[in-house]
Amino acid sequence: DQQVKQNSPSLSVQEGRISILNCDYTNSMFDYFLWYKKYPAEGPTFLISISSIKDKNEDGRFTVFLNKSAKHLSLHIVPSQPGDSAVYFCAASGGDSGNTPLVFGKGTRLSVIA
Amino acid sequence: KAGVTQTPRYLIKTRGQQVTLSCSPISGHRSVSWYQQTPGQGLQFLFEYFSETQRNKGNFPGRFSGRQFSNSRSEMNVSTLELGDSALYLCASSLLVESSYEQYFGPGTRLTVT
Repeated sequence: DQQVKQNSPSLSVQEGRISILNCDYTNSMFDYFLWYKKYPAEGPTFLISISSIKDKNEDGRFTVFLNKSAKHLSLHIVPSQPGDSAVYFCAASGGDSGNTPLVFGKGTRLSVIA
Repeated sequence: KAGVTQTPRYLIKTRGQQVTLSCSPISGHRSVSWYQQTPGQGLQFLFEYFSETQRNKGNFPGRFSGRQFSNSRSEMNVSTLELGDSALYLCASSLLVESSYEQYFGPGTRLTVT
């Protein structure tokens, strides 16, 4: 049973345009959400996170939106750059005072075309 | 500050053998988590250690085990290797219990079972 779903395995975007990566979750106990970026032959690197008490968090070109009623979050990258080409993982955690492991989606491969 | 290191980076083993992977967390980090990444499956949580104790465990068979030493370094062991164990094994460390969300990943160990 997949608790965190990234339904788009891949996404192609023109340089300078907006990239929107989506993530859905099923566990209503999740209260903290993160996005990681992964380049080939490297471990994932933390990008941005959001707590369930917020509906938006912004960091430079990256913004994460959370819609709790829809159990949906999205990552917006504006403007997209070729260096953003990577696999993006959505992850969630929650319940039990935070001592719960991260649950990851299967990832979305973003290709930014120059 | 040095990042998370994992050794070896690449490993080839034969079915039926056993393997031990090592992870050194960021200095001062007491929590170490292990993940398995296979194509199309995202990151699957194996287990987490905190202060030498296993705190969380994922849904993997007993062939997968781990431990953590007093200096927070961690090892994971896989016995009786199967072809399906071929994967990238990632280790992540975090500083505080409540901060386990923002995990810092190592580069991973690529295990190939033939």
